[in-house]
Amino acid sequence: DIQMTQSPSSLSASVGDRVTITCRASQSINSYLNWYQHKPGKAPKLLVYLASNLETGVPSRFIGSGSGTDFTLTISSLQPEDFATYYCQQSYNTLAFGGGTKVEIK
Amino acid sequence: QLQLQESGPGLVKPSETLSLICSVSGGSISSSSYYWGWVRQSPGKGLEWIGSMYYSGSTYYNPSLKSRVTISGDASKNQLSLRLNSVTAADTAVYYCVRLVEIGGLRLGGDAFDIWGLGTLVTVSS
Repeated sequence: DIQMTQSPSSLSASVGDRVTITCRASQSINSYLNWYQHKPGKAPKLLVYLASNLETGVPSRFIGSGSGTDFTLTISSLQPEDFATYYCQQSYNTLAFGGGTKVEIK
Repeated sequence: QLQLQESGPGLVKPSETLSLICSVSGGSISSSSYYWGWVRQSPGKGLEWIGSMYYSGSTYYNPSLKSRVTISGDASKNQLSLRLNSVTAADTAVYYCVRLVEIGGLRLGGDAFDIWGLGTLVTVSS
C-alpha cells in the first residue's frame, strides 16, 4: 500500500499569511494527487485534482504543485474562511488519504 | 444541485452488520459519468475509502475491507447502500456517502471525491 504523510499535522496562521502544506507519498504516484478542505459539520470539498488543477469555483489563492512523491498545497493569502483541515489523497492505486493538516487561527 | 444524505442506525453491536443508505437527490446514480461510494473517518485511522460502485453494478473495494463489505445501488429509489459485516469497535466512524469522478487515473472505480454527504456517525458498542 502507498502511505501518504502530511506535514505539519497542524499549524497556526494569521489572515493574509502564506501557508504551505506538504504531502509525501511512500512511492511515486506521478501526479495522481488530490486535495480536500474539511470544515467541522460540513461536507469535505475537493479543491485540487491531479496535483495542480483547481476544481471549478475554488479561489485562485489555492495552489497545488508537485509530482512523483512530493506535493504541496499553498494558500497564497489566508482568508478567514480557509481555517479548516486539509487532506491529500492519492488515486494511483487503492485510494488513500493523508492524515490531515489542521489550519488554525493564530 | 446534487445532494447526498446518509441514514441508518447510529449504534451497532459488535459482530453484527452495519447497514447504511445514501439517498441521492439532484442527480442519478444511473449516470454513466460517475461512480458512487463510501468513505469513513475514525479518530484512529483518519479518512479511509471503503469502496465504490458504477451504475452497471461493478464494484471496487478497499482490499483491507473487501471481505466484509458490500456496496449496491437501487436505481428505482436512487439510493446507494453499504453493508459491513462482523463489525468491531474499530469500525466506529463517521461514514460519508460520496460521488467519484474519473480524472485519467490508472485504476477503475473513480479517482477523486467531488461530492460528499454530511456524514453519519456509527458507533459499535454493546
